[in-house]
Amino acid sequence: GQQVMQIPQYQHVQEGEDFTTYCNSSTTLSNIQWYKQRPGGHPVFLIQLVKSGEVKKQKRLTFQFGEAKKNSSLHITATQTTDVGTYFCYNQGGKLIFGQGTELSVKP
Amino acid sequence: EPEVTQTPSHQVTQMGQEVILRCVPISNHLYFYWYRQILGQKVEFLVSFYNNEISEKSEIFDDQFSVERPDGSNFTLKIRSTKLEDSAMYFCASSGRTDYNEQFFGPGTRLTVL
Repeated sequence: GQQVMQIPQYQHVQEGEDFTTYCNSSTTLSNIQWYKQRPGGHPVFLIQLVKSGEVKKQKRLTFQFGEAKKNSSLHITATQTTDVGTYFCYNQGGKLIFGQGTELSVKP
Repeated sequence: EPEVTQTPSHQVTQMGQEVILRCVPISNHLYFYWYRQILGQKVEFLVSFYNNEISEKSEIFDDQFSVERPDGSNFTLKIRSTKLEDSAMYFCASSGRTDYNEQFFGPGTRLTVL
């Protein structure tokens, strides 16, 4: 069946360093959504990508959707302690599947 | 800003008991979802609901689970006979006019089965 794999599972960075998480699917995705979950909190929507090769930016966050629509990435430039949390990719086409998430910790 | 609300925030129950988790989605939303998150694990899809019927469900959502929208505002998840492994955080979410739309999550109900 369709699988969405997310790497890395954990990432520890020093404040100010960059961070990237990758989401890879075994099949073509109709769209990809990214969510952030703070420790003890609930998922909060960040962005949705639909088009092949799409790139969207939100301040220090850059989201990309691969040309083949099988992978996506989230890149954070110059991390801050407020970026701490788990970032999930999510596919809403067909079966609704969350990636297992990348837990980001930021050391001040 | 409109938000999804869930009650109770924490539910403790004995194994074998029935529980009902309640959610009030955002008022003009049409798609409703339940997810669960076992402590330390990823968020897992349970069920989606649209037009008063289940539109999609996962393997987790077996005969012990049911959902209902009894009165046009509440959206409930019932677990008929709880098991220890049902202990988890249960999130309700809703989205707007189309299924391919951002989902707004509630704060969750932590279910503890003893």
